[in-house]
Amino acid sequence: DAGITQSPRHKVTETGTPVTLRCHQTENHRYMYWYRQDPGHGLRLIHYSYGVKDTDKGEVSDGYSVSRSKTEDFLLTLESATSSQTSVYFCAISWKNEQFFGPGTRLTVL
Amino acid sequence: QQQVKQSPQSLIVQKGGISIINCAYENTAFDYFPWYQQFPGKGPALLIAIRPDVSEKKEGRFTISFNKSAKQFSLHIMDSQPGDSATYFCAASGGTGGGADGLTFGKGTHLIIQP
Repeated sequence: DAGITQSPRHKVTETGTPVTLRCHQTENHRYMYWYRQDPGHGLRLIHYSYGVKDTDKGEVSDGYSVSRSKTEDFLLTLESATSSQTSVYFCAISWKNEQFFGPGTRLTVL
Repeated sequence: QQQVKQSPQSLIVQKGGISIINCAYENTAFDYFPWYQQFPGKGPALLIAIRPDVSEKKEGRFTISFNKSAKQFSLHIMDSQPGDSATYFCAASGGTGGGADGLTFGKGTHLIIQP
């Protein structure tokens, strides 16, 4: 998993509650990414970061925010979770221009 | 707008046969084309990748064929084994190739290798 950990690995929450997912890497990689995976859609980019406090939007960023206050941690926040955000969330890093993925977080919004 | 189209959605191949998965892209700025393998409950794992300066890349039983003029690329798995049963994703990116741009993925192919 390229030294990537994600927490929590599973979470069940209710509509309207805030949720924060954490991605942690130990190799000082500059680029980090958040994707969501849904049946029939493959993986879609939510947000990415190209350094501390440097982030940008991906294809499906509505309803999500991110923060990166230190190199090793990239946080994904759902300010007010909705049922459409039920998904599996993957963090990735870029190393030698190739992307490597973490183990994922399965989020269920009831 | 789906920028990377992958086919077939599912594929059944006999053990020892050749598995072929195809992808087509639209964005001519794409210059990096990886394939990922994913087992249930796991994250996608990078399998093999190609850049447009070559038409084919082989690593063990896995080969990528790339046709720049047709904007197509494919994954061939030779001597397919039951352990190859997984979901396969093609992807593409431009610029730094997996760097700042992120990856655009196909929708995936569920491959089953029958013993």
